[in-house]
Amino acid sequence: DTGVSQNPRHKITKRGQNVTFRCDPISEHNRLYWYRQTLGQGPEFLTYFQNEAQLEKSRLLSDRFSAERPKGSFSTLEIQRTEQGDSAMYLCASSPPKGQSRYEQYFGPGTRLTVT
Amino acid sequence: AQRVTQPEKLLSVFKGAPVELKCNYSYSGSPELFWYVQYSRQRLQLLLRHISRESIKGFTADLNKGETSFHLKKPFAQEEDSAMYYCALSGGTSYGKLTFGQGTILTVHP
Repeated sequence: DTGVSQNPRHKITKRGQNVTFRCDPISEHNRLYWYRQTLGQGPEFLTYFQNEAQLEKSRLLSDRFSAERPKGSFSTLEIQRTEQGDSAMYLCASSPPKGQSRYEQYFGPGTRLTVT
Repeated sequence: AQRVTQPEKLLSVFKGAPVELKCNYSYSGSPELFWYVQYSRQRLQLLLRHISRESIKGFTADLNKGETSFHLKKPFAQEEDSAMYYCALSGGTSYGKLTFGQGTILTVHP
């Protein structure tokens, strides 16, 4: 499968613990996005990387959230001191740099986080 | 601020009937509009985008700037069209980030 991959697919954690998710985009896609989706809602933008640079962050991304893309390839999203309100599906998407397909975002399967 | 509204959370039609999924948006500039679809147990994927003016799987969508709408239409629904549909907007200077509507679950009955 050469699509966007995310790990883990599911994560159950206790309130107050830290969690880290990983996203591997499609090769040569220089744009990478993180979204969060709660039940009954559409995905909400969290942050955007172009290569290794984090160019935009949503106000939804509190100080407990941090994202990195150190070498412009895979990305990680860390949530510190998790709260029950963090329970959601975390989606990663990537997009190529050139051509018409740069408008299309390719989504991963998501990581479902449950905070107990 | 940009916003996307999909007024119907659920939409049911019978096979062969026309279907229209509504989408309205709010954006001060010139937006790029998309429809994304999520079939059961599959990941979110692009269905169509307004700039390409194409028909995918029999679906079309026309951007109406006067009414700020981007409704998705298909003249004859098929059972395999049953899925969650999201309308999404990308503003011109926002690096392509998408603002999604809440989604519409389409069920096509045999």
